[in-house]
Amino acid sequence: NAGVMQNPRHLVRRRGQEARLRCSPMKGHSHVYWYRQLPEEGLKFMVYLQKENIIDESGMPKERFSAEFPKEGPSILRIQQVVRGDSAAYFCASSPFEVNYGYTFGSGTRLTVV
Amino acid sequence: EDKVVQSPLSLVVHEGDTVTLNCSYEVTNFRSLLWYKQEKKAPTFLFMLTSSGIEKKSGRLSSILDKKELFSILNITATQTGDSAVYLCAVSPPGGTSYGKLTFGQGTILTVHP
Repeated sequence: NAGVMQNPRHLVRRRGQEARLRCSPMKGHSHVYWYRQLPEEGLKFMVYLQKENIIDESGMPKERFSAEFPKEGPSILRIQQVVRGDSAAYFCASSPFEVNYGYTFGSGTRLTVV
Repeated sequence: EDKVVQSPLSLVVHEGDTVTLNCSYEVTNFRSLLWYKQEKKAPTFLFMLTSSGIEKKSGRLSSILDKKELFSILNITATQTGDSAVYLCAVSPPGGTSYGKLTFGQGTILTVHP
């Protein structure tokens, strides 16, 4: 049973481009959580999704960022018109149901904006 | 705003030493405190603590929670170079739509020299 899969592992974008980060949850998991880790900082919650629903997006910046978790396929975190400050590691985690214990994180996508 | 503070921010020890990592928190609603180990990739789950005064152990690692004083400690005895990592502390809310919304501290960077 593969763990949480994130791709790409590394992504380089020029300022103004779009970044798409993908997260495939563990098999049977229908809940996905996205976190962002800025350099030298801890992880910050961004959004919590269930299949086809956004449950809590209180940590998402209001502009340029969006997330989805369609019925089929991976969860996508989309950043439009990237800026240097978006450079960070983006982690997702998944769970089979609503939990608040040690769900499994993916290996992350390191986004670098040049 | 919920806050989790870890100390020290970094720690350098020699193999065989014992270390104690601290985590204090101020949150509106609390259900559990979690410890993760991060080695340049995905954070891996170590412990979840819900009740005060009950020590959780896993090999050379142990952790305890004090809900009255709002802190937790993570102890590592007989440290090894493989313990070198960032140790993250996080707190989780009781439930509902906030289930997956962990609040992380900034982490403690532990370096163990041979």
